[in-house]
Amino acid sequence: GNSVTQMEGPVTLSEEAFLTINCTYTATGYPSLFWYVQYPGEGLQLLLKATKADDKGSNKGFEATYRKETTSFHLEKGSVQVSDSAVYFCALRTGGKFYFGSGTKLNVKP
Amino acid sequence: DGGITQSPKYLFRKEGQNVTLSCEQNLNHDAMYWYRQDPGQGLRLIYYSQIVNDFQKGDIAEGYSVSREKKESFPLTVTSAQKNPTAFYLCASSILADTTDTQYFGPGTRLTVL
Repeated sequence: GNSVTQMEGPVTLSEEAFLTINCTYTATGYPSLFWYVQYPGEGLQLLLKATKADDKGSNKGFEATYRKETTSFHLEKGSVQVSDSAVYFCALRTGGKFYFGSGTKLNVKP
Repeated sequence: DGGITQSPKYLFRKEGQNVTLSCEQNLNHDAMYWYRQDPGQGLRLIYYSQIVNDFQKGDIAEGYSVSREKKESFPLTVTSAQKNPTAFYLCASSILADTTDTQYFGPGTRLTVL
């Protein structure tokens, strides 16, 4: 079946620290992969995506590379800011359905 | 501006009452989805629809009902049969033809049962 597993949070970092949030997936076929961000009380917003193996998605300093050999799509940022505090969801799409990880809460302290 | 609207943002309901959550999109998307999110939890799929007048159950459809009479509208009814309806409800839509495209989310409705 299709599923997404991401590291449990919360993750607490100091401002300017390096961020990694791990995400691995199981899927039939060739899924597209996504990272979404959710701020308190809001819906999810697309952060970045990758649609085939070895693609790198990037946005606002965040990056993730589609690794088919390790079925992973880890999210990274070189220097986090307080404003990056949010919940991050990894997801895959196959056909018309989306599958989400359980979310990882990131807290960035000044 | 194109997007998805959900109303109301906050909704209170007494036990035993049915309540309908609105979801409208003007993105001309074929597919629409309803998710439930509990505090500190991920998203669980309630129902989805890929075409007008057709919809499928998701993982937690019991106690919920939907309709898709128009392409742009996908209302969700939380019935009195739903044992624990207090949650944050998210509506989303996507293009079916492009399987690399993202899902677009509305701002959510927070339902509280009193």
